[in-house]
Amino acid sequence: AQKITQTQPGMFVQEKEAVTLDCTYDTSDPSYGLFWYKQPSSGEMIFLIYQGSYDQQNATEGRYSLNFQKARKSANLVISASQLGDSAMYFCAMRPNDYKLSFGAGTTVTVRA
Amino acid sequence: GAVVSQHPSWVICKSGTSVKIECRSLDFQATTMFWYRQFPKQSLMLMATSNEGSKATYEQGVEKDKFLINHASLTLSTLTVTSAHPEDSSFYICSALTRTESYNSPLHFGNGTRLTVT
Repeated sequence: AQKITQTQPGMFVQEKEAVTLDCTYDTSDPSYGLFWYKQPSSGEMIFLIYQGSYDQQNATEGRYSLNFQKARKSANLVISASQLGDSAMYFCAMRPNDYKLSFGAGTTVTVRA
Repeated sequence: GAVVSQHPSWVICKSGTSVKIECRSLDFQATTMFWYRQFPKQSLMLMATSNEGSKATYEQGVEKDKFLINHASLTLSTLTVTSAHPEDSSFYICSALTRTESYNSPLHFGNGTRLTVT
């Protein structure tokens, strides 16, 4: 069974600063995908960034970057230059070859002006 | 592209009644759809996986007779909460995959349905 762990229930970050959200995972599948989603208070799930288990380089998408350390089974999300609109719940998720996407507990990020 | 429409976005029903939630893929064929449930401030828990034209596969602990899932076409899946009770109040969200997508494809999510049972 797959397990995704997010140990930070909530975080505060000052506007324009960077924040790192932790995520560790456990799987026996050699092929898997790691994802980060943002869920604002309205509820929709917004895809942010993806990292494949065979990818050699860390993924980046605009202000989002993923610090992938395969040996440590961690996939931390870094949000640079935080904006007030970044305040939301963030979920780390993993999908092995059975296509089922499993989510971590989530981290609530609050950006302060 | 890859838009998933979920309807209704919120619903209030009385205890004992049934509620149907629709999930439609608007611009692609969704061969696989997933239904998740989310309690406030908690994670998304997978309830079931449905493939077009076949019976849904339910996760352990999810009552298949209570949460009826139908995936009759490549663009529509429905979740019916039968004989709803207040403890069924939750946020239900669907997601979809096409046949050509693999484990490295992000799921396309609907906007969710907030169900309140009184």
